[in-house]
Amino acid sequence: GESVGLHLPTLSVQEGDNSIINCAYSNSASDYFIWYKQESGKGPQFIIDIRSNMDKRQGQRVTVLLNKTVKHLSLQIAATQPGDSAVYFCAEKRMNTGFQKLVFGTGTRLLVSP
Amino acid sequence: DGGITQSPKYLFRKEGQNVTLSCEQNLNHDAMYWYRQDPGQGLRLIYYSQIVNDFQKGDIAEGYSVSREKKESFPLTVTSAQKNPTAFYLCASCSLIEAGGYTFGSGTRLTVV
Repeated sequence: GESVGLHLPTLSVQEGDNSIINCAYSNSASDYFIWYKQESGKGPQFIIDIRSNMDKRQGQRVTVLLNKTVKHLSLQIAATQPGDSAVYFCAEKRMNTGFQKLVFGTGTRLLVSP
Repeated sequence: DGGITQSPKYLFRKEGQNVTLSCEQNLNHDAMYWYRQDPGQGLRLIYYSQIVNDFQKGDIAEGYSVSREKKESFPLTVTSAQKNPTAFYLCASCSLIEAGGYTFGSGTRLTVV
């Protein structure tokens, strides 16, 4: 749902582990989903996206899984590196409407220790 | 290179002052957005605009104002009515006809002194 200023949950992993960041979305009509990475003091950067007609999409070291039945999105990062430490946001969007607005999740802070 | 530019990177405001944050994009995007981010928290929508000379309030518009006189520009004014303006402000843009998410600027950190 809408980000409402809640403090971020944190996921701590060791370098080399696989990370899984989860997100529950709110609108069953949403048909486009994005994961963003935000490093400290910077703007969010696009990582990967997925449309609702897919349930899995892979990028370089990242995989996004979409479960529309339970309105759940996850981001998997393989062989996590210290440079992956950041806050990760999911976002949902309804395409093909006259109203285009991303709705952001609350975010998860990923901490990678060497 | 196409992108979205926010300025200044750091801004200090005295109590009772209005300040304006700049956001310019050369991506030919139709829609532009302003978000506020408090430390350790998520993004909250202040205002957005989908076409020139039109804009809509977001979830926390009180104490802020915007204008959209040009497609490329969407400045945000933080007025003296905003009681707690210290935050990180992010501008974003997107196309309304192409699939894709937002492109974000690098942010402006506003501090009240």
